[in-house]
Amino acid sequence: AQSVTQPDIHITVSEGASLELRCNYSYGATPYLFWYVQSPGQGLQLLLKYFSGDTLVQGIKGFEAEFKRSQSSFNLRKPSVHWSDAAEYFCAVGARTNAGKSTFGDGTTLTVKP
Amino acid sequence: DADVTQTPRNRITKTGKRIMLECSQTKGHDRMYWYRQDPGLGLRLIYYSFDVKDINKGEISDGYSVSRQAQAKFSLSLESAIPNQTALYFCATSDAALDTQYFGPGTRLTVL
Repeated sequence: AQSVTQPDIHITVSEGASLELRCNYSYGATPYLFWYVQSPGQGLQLLLKYFSGDTLVQGIKGFEAEFKRSQSSFNLRKPSVHWSDAAEYFCAVGARTNAGKSTFGDGTTLTVKP
Repeated sequence: DADVTQTPRNRITKTGKRIMLECSQTKGHDRMYWYRQDPGLGLRLIYYSFDVKDINKGEISDGYSVSRQAQAKFSLSLESAIPNQTALYFCATSDAALDTQYFGPGTRLTVL
């Protein structure tokens, strides 16, 4: 069965500082990996995804993520955080062989200090 | 206009009442999903449907039922609501080829 672990429940960073959100997955084959963001009172929005190819993936809003097969990780990064990045972030793993279903992590809440 | 809409956005009801949450999409996707979100638990899959005639249980389907009225419409019902069904409910769709999911804005349900 596939699973996702987001080790950090809550992270606080200062505006302008760099950010890294951790995601570890468990899956027997090459996974599809996603990062979604949920702003307060809204649904989830896709930030970026990895299916194959280049292991460094660029997304919207200046985010990027790197797939590391050896570490079973797909960490999300941003070089300089803006106050509007405060939100909850979800990592998800999916696979075509699992009927296309995605499994979501429990989420990491990001607080941005002025 | 939003691609995935959910109605109602907020609902307060009492234990034992029947509740229906509705989801409509204009993305033309075949796959639709219902999730519930509880604080600290991420999203858990309730039901999913790959087309009008293909409906499947997710990891937490007990106490819920669904209806896929058309490609664009997928409804979630709570036949007899109970307080531990208080949660935020999301509908999502996906393109069968890419598996990226597109979410509605959510329905906040409170069962008293």
